[in-house]
Amino acid sequence: DTAVSQTPKYLVTQMGNDKSIKCEQNLGHDTMYWYKQDSKKFLKIMFSYNNKELIINETVPNRFSPKSPDKAHLNLHINSLELGDSAVYFCASSGAGRNYGYTFGSGTRLTVV
Amino acid sequence: DAKTTQPTSMDCAEGRAANLPCNHSTISGNEYVYWYRQIHSQGPQYIIHGLKNNETNEMASLIITEDRKSSTLILPHATLRDTAVYYCIVTTNQAGTALIFGKGTTLSVSS
Repeated sequence: DTAVSQTPKYLVTQMGNDKSIKCEQNLGHDTMYWYKQDSKKFLKIMFSYNNKELIINETVPNRFSPKSPDKAHLNLHINSLELGDSAVYFCASSGAGRNYGYTFGSGTRLTVV
Repeated sequence: DAKTTQPTSMDCAEGRAANLPCNHSTISGNEYVYWYRQIHSQGPQYIIHGLKNNETNEMASLIITEDRKSSTLILPHATLRDTAVYYCIVTTNQAGTALIFGKGTTLSVSS
């Protein structure tokens, strides 16, 4: 079983559209994250949720809205897509305690045309 | 901002040990040193982490200096599949703390 799974793997869409990326983790972790990796390959934190509560909200356009229906899921909704939103988006989760660690999904490559 | 400094790139011959350095001179007493790598455009992969003592697992060894201001990741017998970007990150183990990535070191392993 994949620990952190994202769908879709690839997403090509036109400017102005609204799209969602889904993420699920089966590790029992309490915290989930969204990262963005742009063409310069720099990985940047966007959001994090701990037990369904938003705890990190970096400077991200409000067209991006995370939603966490339960602690195993963190979805990312993007409204009015722009060319500059093209990037690879990674979901991650982390646990607590002695075995604290982060697990990343395989990424969603978003291309806005 | 990332609290670590790493060389931009390194080369290593296949079968030799790869030693990747990292400076973290402002590390706090409760911060751990984590190493992750990213192969091509895959998701970052956990390698190893430590607080004060040296650590070893099936993938690598982590050597942390006594003053904790720097560390070295050692891949004992590098293979072509170890070609990747390696990230050294310092972070607390508090719930919800995000990993802050720097630019990492691009390791190229050649035959």
